[in-house]
Parts: sequence; structure tokens; C-alpha cells
Amino acid sequence: DGGITQSPKYLFRKEGQNVTLSCEQNLNHDAMYWYRQDPGQGLRLIYYSQIVNDFQKGDIAEGYSVSREKKESFPLTVTSAQKNPTAFYLCASSAIDRVDYGYTFGSGTRLTVV
Amino acid sequence: QQPVQSPQAVILREGEDAVINCSSSKALYSVHWYRQKHGEAPVFLMILLKGGEQKGHEKISASFNEKKQQSSLYLTASQLSYSGTYFCGTQGALFVSGNTGKLIFGQGTTLQVKP
Repeated sequence: DGGITQSPKYLFRKEGQNVTLSCEQNLNHDAMYWYRQDPGQGLRLIYYSQIVNDFQKGDIAEGYSVSREKKESFPLTVTSAQKNPTAFYLCASSAIDRVDYGYTFGSGTRLTVV
Repeated sequence: QQPVQSPQAVILREGEDAVINCSSSKALYSVHWYRQKHGEAPVFLMILLKGGEQKGHEKISASFNEKKQQSSLYLTASQLSYSGTYFCGTQGALFVSGNTGKLIFGQGTTLQVKP
């Protein structure tokens, strides 16, 4: 079955460390997205990408970086510049040539600073 | 330009109805609705497109008022399984070349259905 796989499910980061969250999809979707969710809050857009080797900043991109070297993969790096990284991170994808399709989300990565 | 959802929380008994509203200050091309169970990923419910009709399946339906940039989600004869947090996601103008754009999500409405 097609879907989005995020790993790891739980991640612990020490102060000053960079960590990378993985997101892989086999849906053949062109567009991929990273959202951050804080407790009791909505989803805020970090970065998004429509095509390989191209991506745009979302509303809260500071302290994060991404790459899109393959259509299937869109990893997110949380850098030491992100001062409050503890959150639930969700990756999503969509078929940009189908205006009546919604997003498919991965199961998320819960990041905690220790 | 995050859309505003109301109410923030709803508590229902099984069989009761609920309406969740989503309002934007910007012109919209489409509105998505998702449901998220605690600790899980959001699940797509439906999408309403500019110029489209009210959509729905089973006892969950939605409408889209383009002039007011508002959408409403209707849950009728609620079941225990309807519990969760409901998010609307809005899309403004499409990307160049007609492809779909990014979604901006509201803050969510928590729905609790009790036996």
C-alpha cells in the first residue's frame, strides 16, 4: 500500500545538536510539506516543495533546513538555531495535478529536547 | 492569515449534531477538512472547491461560502468515533501553472462525543 513513512517516531535532542527527521513517500506525489504541531495548537508550515531540487520557506522556517534530492524523500533538519524545537512534526504530500485531492500525512515524529 | 475556527471545543452526547466553522480573511480557492485523533496523523475528510457544491459522505458534510470566505462542517447524529480535533485548511490562489498550493490550517476544534 502507498503511504508516507516518517522516522523515527520519537527523537531526543541535546542542546546544540542538529537532528534530521526522515520522510519518505511512495505515492508518486510531487508536493511534500513539513508542519509543526505544538500541544493544543494547529499545524504551522515549516517548508514545502513542489518539485525535486526546489523548496520554499513556510511561516516558521527559521532554525530548520530541508533538501529534496529525490521525489520520494523530503528530510527535515532541526538545527541548533531552533531554540524551542520540542514539538510533533508532521510530513505530508499531495498530488498537485489533482485539485480535488487532500493531503496524505505521515504518522509523525515527536521531538523532545533533553 | 491563519483561518479562524469556532467553536474551540464541543462536547456532545451520541446522536447529537454539531457545526464547526472556519473563517478566512483572504479570498479562498479551496477549503480542506481533516480529523486528528490524539497522537495520530490528521486524516483527510473532504475538500470544497471554489465554485463547487456542498460535499459530504455518510453523516459528515460541509459547505463553502465563497463570498464570505467561510466553510462549515456538519456532523449529524454523532458517534463516539467522531471524537477528535477537526482542522480546516485553506488554500488561496493556485500556484503558477495551475497546480495546487500550500495549506494554512486553523487552530483546530476539539470534539468530544460521550455515550
